Amino acid sequence: KAGVTQTPRYLIKTRGQQVTLSCSPISGHRSVSWYQQTPGQGLQFLFEYFSETQRNKGNFPGRFSGRQFSNSRSEMNVSTLELGDSALYLCASSLAWQAYGYTFGSGTRLTVV
Amino acid sequence: GESVGLHLPTLSVQEGDNSIINCAYSNSASDYFIWYKQESGKGPQFIIDIRSNMDKRQGQRVTVLLNKTVKHLSLQIAATQPGDSAVYFCAENINTPLVFGKGTRLSVIA
Repeated sequence: KAGVTQTPRYLIKTRGQQVTLSCSPISGHRSVSWYQQTPGQGLQFLFEYFSETQRNKGNFPGRFSGRQFSNSRSEMNVSTLELGDSALYLCASSLAWQAYGYTFGSGTRLTVV
Repeated sequence: GESVGLHLPTLSVQEGDNSIINCAYSNSASDYFIWYKQESGKGPQFIIDIRSNMDKRQGQRVTVLLNKTVKHLSLQIAATQPGDSAVYFCAENINTPLVFGKGTRLSVIA
């Protein structure tokens, strides 16, 4: 079966712009989590969605937001981009909220210039 | 909040040798641990997991050991191969999002 699909794979944006990243979970998975990965901070949790509701949120500013659709696909948005937002953004899906077993996508590499 | 950490940032091993990657965790209530492997340009890939009611679990060429007394987790890779070169993360999952350690880079010397 298809894995977690993230689009686009690479993105270059200018400071001040906004960006939307997409994640399609494994078929049947209803929970989607987002992580930011940087060399300095490692993998940091952004938020988790289940049944179109945000169930958990990490310690990121309000410029980072997300949503989940009825088909479990999820998007995350970053507004007013800063240079420090350059990172690999990873999406992971699982069967249900707080379920064991997360499968990650390959990520979207965002570069802010 | 509490976090999971790793003892060594880099590890170089000879091809064919066994590798041991260590992880310390601080949340004594953690009940589930996962090891992930991340290759360049890819997302973390599940390797093996273990629940807190177990001390050891084996997979194909990999073994995870859990010592709850000292809150320590290790990943053993037998007969390390060049394809094992990657960054390895441990993570804990207890009714919260996954908390990852910083990662250990494993380099296999041919």
